[in-house]
Amino acid sequence: EIVLTQSPDTLSLSPGERATLSCRASQSIAGNYLAWYHQKPGQAPRLLIYGASNRATGIPDRFSGSGSGTDFTLTISRLEAEDFAVYYCQQYGASPRTFGQGTTVEIK
Amino acid sequence: QEQLQESGPGLAKPSETLSLTCTVSGGSINTHSWNWIRQSPGKGLEWIGNIYYTGDTNYNPSLQSRVTISVDTSKDQFSLNLRSVTAADTAVYYCAKGHAFDIWGQGTWVTVSS
Repeated sequence: EIVLTQSPDTLSLSPGERATLSCRASQSIAGNYLAWYHQKPGQAPRLLIYGASNRATGIPDRFSGSGSGTDFTLTISRLEAEDFAVYYCQQYGASPRTFGQGTTVEIK
Repeated sequence: QEQLQESGPGLAKPSETLSLTCTVSGGSINTHSWNWIRQSPGKGLEWIGNIYYTGDTNYNPSLQSRVTISVDTSKDQFSLNLRSVTAADTAVYYCAKGHAFDIWGQGTWVTVSS
């Protein structure tokens, strides 16, 4: 199975700052079928990005995804209060689908 | 607006079968794939498997020997059966739509305990 490793584990930033999250795959992801989610306490994850760089419906343009093959990045251009959460990457290019372990974006 | 809702017992006894159902509303189950995912503090997010409206299934090899996912298109529902459960199966169970999971249910907490 494809193992996804996210870094860093925790990112401490202030509102208005830029966040850069990384997701590295143990092997190349077919079709760049890589998604990003965020999850707030007590809620289900919410899809942010699919196909490595496509914003999901209703996601603001401060969220952007990039990368291909084995290295992917989620960038939040200017953090807002509601963006402090846990972020997961997930691949759907191969079965079984797998998730990264998560990056917590916390208020500094 | 399409929504998913999990239902089923919140408690299962060790060695028994955990059974959950996901109901699709505001849309049709006759498209896309439909997934079960779980989340426990020790293991993060784990994909259990999926099913297409045709009945074709894919399972996580780590659970394959104990899992069955089925679909009832007449009711716009799909279901999860997980056999021979142990405390390690205690988790929040989510249903979700698609390959990139664009719609999720709210999740249902299942505890395995005698």
